[in-house]
Amino acid sequence: KAGVTQTPRYLIKTRGQQVTLSCSPISGHRSVSWYQQTPGQGLQFLFEYFSETQRNKGNFPGRFSGRQFSNSRSEMNVSTLELGDSALYLCASSSNMDYLGEQYFGPGTRLTVT
Amino acid sequence: QKEVEQNSGPLSVPEGAIASLNCTYSDRGSQSFFWYRQYSGKSPELIMFIYSNGDKEDGRFTAQLNKASQYVSLLIRDSQPSDSATYLCAVYNNNDMRFGAGTRLTVKP
Repeated sequence: KAGVTQTPRYLIKTRGQQVTLSCSPISGHRSVSWYQQTPGQGLQFLFEYFSETQRNKGNFPGRFSGRQFSNSRSEMNVSTLELGDSALYLCASSSNMDYLGEQYFGPGTRLTVT
Repeated sequence: QKEVEQNSGPLSVPEGAIASLNCTYSDRGSQSFFWYRQYSGKSPELIMFIYSNGDKEDGRFTAQLNKASQYVSLLIRDSQPSDSATYLCAVYNNNDMRFGAGTRLTVKP
């Protein structure tokens, strides 16, 4: 079974721009979560989608948004980029309906904001 | 504030020894506990999860959970140089997943 895939793998943007990242979960997984990982803050939860609905949201500003499609693929958007948004963005999928289950991470998208 | 605390390390053990990684958490209602391994430049990889008090073994890995003490640990037996990585503890409760900062483990040949 194929793992979680994320595109693009690397991205360079300038301040003020917006960016869209994509995630395809493991086949059959309906839960997709997004995380931001930085050396200073570690791994922080952004939000989680299940069956096209946002079920959970972390403590990030409204510039960070996402959505999920009927095939469970998910996108994350960051508007008005700031230098501090430079990070590794990870997507994780899970098969567990009540989110108690284990998650499997994709390779991540490395975003650099200049 | 719901916290997950790990000793950042580095923790260094000789090849063949037992590596012991510890994690404490503040949220008493936490339901599920996970250990992830992350190699430098790679994404986290799930290696163990545990829901109930006690021990859970999988190959060379044993996860131990003590909810009364709010403590979860990971033991790696017969440590190998390939086990050298950062180990992340994650704690889940009520739609909230929290990660510790990770412990860097080095296994020396």
